[in-house]
Amino acid sequence: EAGVAQSPRYKIIEKRQSVAFWCNPISGHATLYWYQQILGQGPKLLIQFQNNGVVDDSQLPKDRFSAERLKGVDSTLKIQPAKLEDSAVYLCASSLSRDIYGYTFGSGTRLTVV
Amino acid sequence: KQEVTQIPAALSVPEGENLVLNCSFTDSAIYNLQWFRQDPGKGLTSLLLIQSSQREQTSGRLNASLDKSSGRSTLYIAASQPGDSATYLCAVPFSGGYNKLIFGAGTRLAVHP
Repeated sequence: EAGVAQSPRYKIIEKRQSVAFWCNPISGHATLYWYQQILGQGPKLLIQFQNNGVVDDSQLPKDRFSAERLKGVDSTLKIQPAKLEDSAVYLCASSLSRDIYGYTFGSGTRLTVV
Repeated sequence: KQEVTQIPAALSVPEGENLVLNCSFTDSAIYNLQWFRQDPGKGLTSLLLIQSSQREQTSGRLNASLDKSSGRSTLYIAASQPGDSATYLCAVPFSGGYNKLIFGAGTRLAVHP
């Protein structure tokens, strides 16, 4: 079974620029999550999708972050404009259903904002 | 508001030692607790999942225990090996949300030959 694919692996941008991350979950996984992991901290949930609908985006900084999951498969997370404090690893995860436990994480995208 | 704390933040041990990683949480009304492993530059891999009705789970050299009443979990690693070097994170679900997780900051483990 293929894992959760994320791209790019690394990204360096200047503050105030925009950036987008892409995630392809495991085939058949209805639930998709984006987490932000700042260096030295545990991952923090940003947004959760169930198919192509948003279940929870209460911790997403909506003034600069946006995410979508078209057709209930791939997802993109965008930051515009980026700030220095957005430097982190952005992890995508998927599961069969939000009511069934079991996560598979991607390798993440490491963002550096300079 | 649920908070998860892990102690110690870092640990360096010689190969072969038995060691204990600690995780504490403030809200004892959890459905389960999960331990993950994170290798540098990689995502998280689930190691053990303990349901709220269970006291412990074992997988190979790993044993995780859960004491809901005291808000604590421990991960015991027997006969540590250099390949065990990684960051270990514990996570519990958000209140009312089975699959939305709150993570601790992790324990960074180094096992040297």
